[in-house]
Amino acid sequence: GQSLEQPSEVTAVEGAIVQINCTYQTSGFYGLSWYQQHDGGAPTFLSYNALDGLEETGRFSSFLSRSDSYGYLLLQELQMKDSASYFCAVQRSGAGSYQLTFGKGTKLSVIP
Amino acid sequence: SQTIHQWPATLVQPVGSPLSLECTVEGTSNPNLYWYRQAAGRGLQLLFYSVGIGQISSEVPQNLSASRPQDRQFILSSKKLLLSDSGFYLCAFRGGSGILSNTGELFFGEGSRLTVL
Repeated sequence: GQSLEQPSEVTAVEGAIVQINCTYQTSGFYGLSWYQQHDGGAPTFLSYNALDGLEETGRFSSFLSRSDSYGYLLLQELQMKDSASYFCAVQRSGAGSYQLTFGKGTKLSVIP
Repeated sequence: SQTIHQWPATLVQPVGSPLSLECTVEGTSNPNLYWYRQAAGRGLQLLFYSVGIGQISSEVPQNLSASRPQDRQFILSSKKLLLSDSGFYLCAFRGGSGILSNTGELFFGEGSRLTVL
């Protein structure tokens, strides 16, 4: 089976930097994705790592270490609108498709 | 551009009643299609995925079923709903096929919030 672990809640101050960690166990690993979901809304894609290292997209960066089965999402210059739930998701192959298995999510609260 | 729509957005159903949620995708051909369910305050659970017309794979045994009658149409059904079927149902697609088109990104519909009473 697959399992992903990420903190359930994180609180950070506006303008600060926050890191959300994710550890995983899975077979057929292809890559690690990150999604953002605001209350009542659908998840939206943030980033994807298939290889070790850091991927940067604006204020958001994501890191992957395949040997450690570990990744993190880094959010810089936090804004109030960043308050949302963040999910890591492991991408695995099988039966001709690529499935994403999601963690339980980390609820980020940005405070003034 | 690629778009995805699902409906209805909200529904309240009694226990034992049937269910049909529909999802359609535009702007892409032969997409991989997915149904996820999200319980309140929880992560997303993969229910079904499909790589082509009539091809359905089930991830979790339950009283739900899925069908793909057309290339860009994905339907989630139940003959008799249970209280535990309540949740936020999300349809998603991944455009294209093969590893070269793999960016780890799924496009999600707006979601269907189901309450079973």
